Amino acid sequence: DVKVTQSSRYLVKRTGEKVFLECVQDMDHENMFWYRQDPGLGLRLIYFSYDVKMKEKGDIPEGYSVSREKKERFSLILESASTNQTSMYLCASSLLQGLIAYEQYFGPGTRLTVT
Amino acid sequence: TQLLEQSPQFLSIQEGENLTVYCNSSSVFSSLQWYRQEPGEGPVLLVTVVTGGEVKKLKRLTFQFGDARKDSSLHITAAQPGDTGLYLCAGRFIIQGAQKLVFGQGTRLTINP
Repeated sequence: DVKVTQSSRYLVKRTGEKVFLECVQDMDHENMFWYRQDPGLGLRLIYFSYDVKMKEKGDIPEGYSVSREKKERFSLILESASTNQTSMYLCASSLLQGLIAYEQYFGPGTRLTVT
Repeated sequence: TQLLEQSPQFLSIQEGENLTVYCNSSSVFSSLQWYRQEPGEGPVLLVTVVTGGEVKKLKRLTFQFGDARKDSSLHITAAQPGDTGLYLCAGRFIIQGAQKLVFGQGTRLTINP
């Protein structure tokens, strides 16, 4: 059974703290993604990676960075958390995409609250 | 401005009723996916449609891709409480020479017993 796991389901952090969200997939997928999900806005892409040590900015990268040192692991970093980063964070992985729309497999999400 | 518009955003109906959810864009999709997300979980893929006019069925769910590949619909027949969830469409577009997957805002569906 394919699996994407995220390190925490719920997280509460203070403004200004450095926050690490970890994601691991066991499907040997090349692509990995970080989204945030907010009511009425759907899923918005923060960053994605199509290979180890490669990263590309998504639609809303400001205030975030990522790290992909191993194929199975993709980390999202909030350098200095702010209250407007309170959200649900979803990690996903997929096979390398060309013109074919491969399925994205999602983790269960991390609900981050910044106070 | 949303590249993909889903409607309605919220829908609450009684068990046994039929419903349709829409996903529209002014741009052409190269393909479109529908996902369902249950509380506390990530989205799970239901279907991918690629060809204009394509219709796919998944038990009581019927997915249609518009002829011009700018819209899609999800129709549920005889809805059941187990259909409750957030339904997301995701369209693949070519933007500035690169492929992008864009999600709609979602339709939160509640089926009341």
